[in-house]
Amino acid sequence: KAGVTQTPRYLIKTRGQQVTLSCSPISGHRSVSWYQQTPGQGLQFLFEYFSETQRNKGNFPGRFSGRQFSNSRSEMNVSTLELGDSALYLCASSFPLSGGNTGELFFGEGSRLTVL
Amino acid sequence: LAKTTQPISMDSYEGQEVNITCSHNNIATNDYITWYQQFPSQGPRFIIQGYKTKVTNEVASLFIPADRKSSTLSLPRVSLSDTAVYYCLVGALNAGGTSYGKLTFGQGTILTVHP
Repeated sequence: KAGVTQTPRYLIKTRGQQVTLSCSPISGHRSVSWYQQTPGQGLQFLFEYFSETQRNKGNFPGRFSGRQFSNSRSEMNVSTLELGDSALYLCASSFPLSGGNTGELFFGEGSRLTVL
Repeated sequence: LAKTTQPISMDSYEGQEVNITCSHNNIATNDYITWYQQFPSQGPRFIIQGYKTKVTNEVASLFIPADRKSSTLSLPRVSLSDTAVYYCLVGALNAGGTSYGKLTFGQGTILTVHP
């Protein structure tokens, strides 16, 4: 069974540009969440989607946005990039909750963004 | 949101038992405690989850006292391959098909296992 796939794995942008990152969840998973990981701030929650609807949002500026498609694939977009946006962006998917389901998050390997 | 506190780093030797404690003083009634392991350039991987008392699986044990204000991940007989960052995650499992609400990851504990 294929895991969570994130593309691209690495990318370099310059300040002011915008970037779109893609996440394909494990087949059957309907919940997708995004995280930013930096050495100084650790792992921070960006947002979570379920059935094409944003369910929760972390404390990030409006430059960070996302969406989910009907096939559960998700994208996140960062506009007007700043140097501080350089980070590893991780996507995770999970099964719908049911009896005995832990709600385990399955993470992709991440997209490493460098802003110059 | 439950804030979590973990030691920044720990050192151990192969074959020893390692216990990593996470403090979460304002944990809510609906919150579960989950631990993840992360290797460099990879996403975190689920280790174990619990609500109260003790949970054990094939790789670890999780001890949660009655007041649930802390939890301890126990790794028996660690090896060099257990060198990684370990995260304590506290969050509520919501009904309706979502996983957690706003998630709170700790800063993570860097575990280094020496030969």
